Amino acid sequence: GAGVSQSPSNKVTEKGKDVELRCDPISGHTALYWYRQRLGQGLEFLIYFQGNSAPDKSGLPSDRFSAERTGESVSTLTIQRTQQEDSAVYLCASRFTGIQGYTFGSGTRLTVV
Amino acid sequence: TQLLEQSPQFLSIQEGENLTVYCNSSSVFSSLQWYRQEPGEGPVLLVTVVTGGEVKKLKRLTFQFGDARKDSSLHITAAQPGDTGLYLCAGGKYGGSQGNLIFGKGTKLSVKP
Repeated sequence: GAGVSQSPSNKVTEKGKDVELRCDPISGHTALYWYRQRLGQGLEFLIYFQGNSAPDKSGLPSDRFSAERTGESVSTLTIQRTQQEDSAVYLCASRFTGIQGYTFGSGTRLTVV
Repeated sequence: TQLLEQSPQFLSIQEGENLTVYCNSSSVFSSLQWYRQEPGEGPVLLVTVVTGGEVKKLKRLTFQFGDARKDSSLHITAAQPGDTGLYLCAGGKYGGSQGNLIFGKGTKLSVKP
């Protein structure tokens, strides 16, 4: 597609359940990022994939969070045993290379009740 | 830790007024990007500046990268309600983690008709 696609756009889940968020980057973009944005806040880095290199997981807040990416295509962010503090918008972005800007998806709004 | 401080955090003005928002750091960045985010959407890239002292204009928006590449400003002339949104700056690091971009927390701009 022409842009970065994220699904679902909204997710309401019960505390303790696992959730899986999906990101389809722009075709050919080698770099893929996940960010978390709490209400009224800036972007909090979670994880970064670059080609076939080992991902940079330094931003993942706990071991309940994990992400995978197959080659240079789809990525999934999994949150296990969700907590209320996980409620936020999860944004995915992709980038081709160099200093080009990121192209963001519209995000998944996660609400843990 | 490299941080980008944005100011002001909130700004509410009338249509037709001019404004400037700032992005400051004690660290040197390889590039500086500005994004605008509207409610329910992901951030959208406005501009990338890479050379110290560089000035770029995008219609009524003027972006400047500081001579020392530690700060940047965004000036909007004759603001319009369509300029309303969250303005984020992001600094590119030389190598390192977090996908090479550090985001500020943003300036939330509201332009009233």
